Amino acid sequence: DQQVKQNSPSLSVQEGRISILNCDYTNSMFDYFLWYKKYPAEGPTFLISISSIKDKNEDGRFTVFLNKSAKHLSLHIVPSQPGDSAVYFCAAGKQTGANNLFFGTGTRLTVIP
Amino acid sequence: DTAVSQTPKYLVTQMGNDKSIKCEQNLGHDTMYWYKQDSKKFLKIMFSYNNKELIINETVPNRFSPKSPDKAHLNLHINSLELGDSAVYFCASSQEDRKTYEQYFGPGTRLTVT
Repeated sequence: DQQVKQNSPSLSVQEGRISILNCDYTNSMFDYFLWYKKYPAEGPTFLISISSIKDKNEDGRFTVFLNKSAKHLSLHIVPSQPGDSAVYFCAAGKQTGANNLFFGTGTRLTVIP
Repeated sequence: DTAVSQTPKYLVTQMGNDKSIKCEQNLGHDTMYWYKQDSKKFLKIMFSYNNKELIINETVPNRFSPKSPDKAHLNLHINSLELGDSAVYFCASSQEDRKTYEQYFGPGTRLTVT
């Protein structure tokens, strides 16, 4: 049973515009969330995270928003750059117990120059 | 310097064989993991391991076994390989103390079973 879902397999955005990637989760026990970026033939690279005690975390061009009541989070990239083109994975975990991450299936972002 | 490395990057083998994938991290982390990314691109935890505890995802067949010679290495052994084992396998590591939660991933090993 997939506990983290990314329902959009792909997204295309013009350079300079905002990219919004969405993620939903079903397990209310998750209390931290991460976004990873993945290029072909490489491992996922950590991008940004958020704890469940916050609803927003910002790092440069990247901002993650968390809506706990909706069990939804989103990653905003602004302005989008061609180098941002990659697959983005949402992941969730629990602060207690094993530090396992549960991943979504990814969204392929293409930023068009 | 590569933080988390895996060897080999590609592995092609026949059904029934036994193979190993090696993983090393130079981050000083206490916990290491193996993930499997299947043909649907779904990245799923297989094992997490630190010097105290091995936690196995119950869906992983016992043909798969992690072995850790020291805390910087976590190798994955697979016995009697099957066609369905074809996937990309990622090793990862993290700090046990949970000051941060991110895991650092290796580049992956693409296993093809013929």
